[in-house]
Amino acid sequence: GMPVEQNPPALSLYEGADSGLRCNFSTTMKSVQWFQQNHRGRLITLFYLAQGTKENGRLKSTFNSKERYSTLHIKDAQLEDSGTYFCAAEALSGSWQLIFGSGTQLTVMP
Amino acid sequence: DPKIIQKPKYLVAVTGSEKILICEQYLGHNAMYWYRQSAKKPLEFMFSYSYQKLMDNQTASSRFQPQSSKKNHLDLQITALKPDDSATYFCASSQAWGGDTQYFGPGTRLLVL
Repeated sequence: GMPVEQNPPALSLYEGADSGLRCNFSTTMKSVQWFQQNHRGRLITLFYLAQGTKENGRLKSTFNSKERYSTLHIKDAQLEDSGTYFCAAEALSGSWQLIFGSGTQLTVMP
Repeated sequence: DPKIIQKPKYLVAVTGSEKILICEQYLGHNAMYWYRQSAKKPLEFMFSYSYQKLMDNQTASSRFQPQSSKKNHLDLQITALKPDDSATYFCASSQAWGGDTQYFGPGTRLLVL
């Protein structure tokens, strides 16, 4: 299968709702990054994690290398959170390239 | 105030021609990368450079040649363009090569007719 599987492919939320996105890895990864791609196509870096959990405002991300997954939680969703969210991981073996998931298209509705 | 500049923003080319995509970063980073985003594929890694030295190349075709004239520049020359090369090309940089946050430029959207 794909080295980085991202779920769900698409998600719709009402403003104020909470939700979570997940990436599963087929192999042990060194680190993970999360990005938001906005409507202009710009990739905005949200988090870099080599382990554990990080929070930034309404966003929280966890990376468990041993269990081979990472999550991104969005609290109190806002309209500007709409976009496509990508996780990207660096594999334990090999180079430092980022391997991207196929993304979760998030739509926040008023 | 953009810290990673990619030029041009949009590019239309004819099949068989050659184009150069420009990337400059003003973050003081030592590593730079190229990625490609096609319509039906996840973002794909192409190249990584550290201190102007090629570290990794995952591009099968020699038609794609990165060029680094300065530490904060990593251009991408594409020769003998094909319609399948149509994609958005993203440049990225990080402080260190590997194990560090990568920041992405706004991308160059290339259309090959």
